[in-house]
Amino acid sequence: SQTIHQWPATLVQPVGSPLSLECTVEGTSNPNLYWYRQAAGRGLQLLFYSVGIGQISSEVPQNLSASRPQDRQFILSSKKLLLSDSGFYLCAWSVQGRAFFGQGTRLTVV
Amino acid sequence: GIQVEQSPPDLILQEGANSTLRCNFSDSVNNLQWFHQNPWGQLINLFYIPSGTKQNGRLSATTVATERYSLLYISSSQTTDSGVYFCAVETGTASKLTFGTGTRLQVTL
Repeated sequence: SQTIHQWPATLVQPVGSPLSLECTVEGTSNPNLYWYRQAAGRGLQLLFYSVGIGQISSEVPQNLSASRPQDRQFILSSKKLLLSDSGFYLCAWSVQGRAFFGQGTRLTVV
Repeated sequence: GIQVEQSPPDLILQEGANSTLRCNFSDSVNNLQWFHQNPWGQLINLFYIPSGTKQNGRLSATTVATERYSLLYISSSQTTDSGVYFCAVETGTASKLTFGTGTRLQVTL
């Protein structure tokens, strides 16, 4: 069966520090991959999505970037975090339209 | 871009009650899904329902794509049903999934 791994579960980072969140999917090939962010008490904002290796689409301008170095690996990065980057980050994958989410990373920038 | 609105935004039910959650979308979609986000933040896929009706236990969903809405029915609600319910729609050829505004449900004893 398919599983998705996202880590770490929680992260506290100082302003200006770099960020790397990783997400891997097992049990499927060529999935669509997504990064979402959820601010406290709010809906989900699509940040990036990828339909294949090296193919990244960005939805909103920000100081974040994403990469897909392997078919089932999706990485969210930042060179310098801002306070406004705090939130709950969720990785998701979909095949044939149906989407499944990882456990999420709760990021607090201090 | 497409707008996805959910109603009501908040709902409080007594255990055992039934409820209907609504999702309206502003444009044609390829598919529609319903998710439940539990109090720990985990998002669970409830239904993949581009059209028609599906049932899973106490939950059922109906999508009328031509009229651009979907309904999620919860019967005999339980405290474990508490959380936020989202609908999400897929548009275009790039499989982009856009989430609705959510309905926060609290089921009390």
